[in-house]
Amino acid sequence: HLQLQESGPGLVKPSETLSLTCTASGASISSNLYYWGWIRQPPGKGLEWIGTIYYSGSTYNNPSLKSRVTISIDVSKNQFYLKLTAVTAADTAIYYCVRMQYSNTLGKAFDIWGQGTMVTVSS
Amino acid sequence: DIQMTQSPSSLSASVGDRVTITCRASQSISSFLNWYQQKPGNAPKILISVASTLQSGVPSRFSGSGSGTDFTLTITSLHPEDFATYYCQQSYITPYTFGQGTKLEIK
Repeated sequence: HLQLQESGPGLVKPSETLSLTCTASGASISSNLYYWGWIRQPPGKGLEWIGTIYYSGSTYNNPSLKSRVTISIDVSKNQFYLKLTAVTAADTAIYYCVRMQYSNTLGKAFDIWGQGTMVTVSS
Repeated sequence: DIQMTQSPSSLSASVGDRVTITCRASQSISSFLNWYQQKPGNAPKILISVASTLQSGVPSRFSGSGSGTDFTLTITSLHPEDFATYYCQQSYITPYTFGQGTKLEIK
């Protein structure tokens, strides 16, 4: 069955770029049945959707992050990526990569989650 | 953005109790409402999608209802493993948004 695993630096300096990779195993991310995305959770707080990408490369990002977010995908490597530029302490969070199911019966829901990776923004 | 408001923010209950958590959207979202459970140190887990469809493997003591702007998650006969934080989330339109969470604690 599908598993997702985030990887990337756990510490990023203010004003620099946060870069994370999500590696899928157990199934291909080239399926047309799913979207792939990122969600974050500041320590002790709630969940924030960052953005979602389709295998074709179409993306939907949260406007609250303005133009700082880039999500990309490489189906040949079974990976997708998050880049967040100009980070501040407010970007400190656990970052989850997720699969979003998309069907008439099940709707759109984040049905598979990675374990999450903590990213701290600090000098 | 659509605002999702959960109540209560926290709830104390005992094993065997029936509990209900409510979620209100700032505008109609039809039935595009999902519920997640999160335990400390773990990623959230999907419980219910499109307001009332139980995801595979989720115990039948969990149920969801509602449409439009008002939704509920009900857990009948609480088990010890149900004590966790619960989040609602709208998938009607981007940006997808979550409620602030309801922490269910043991009384």
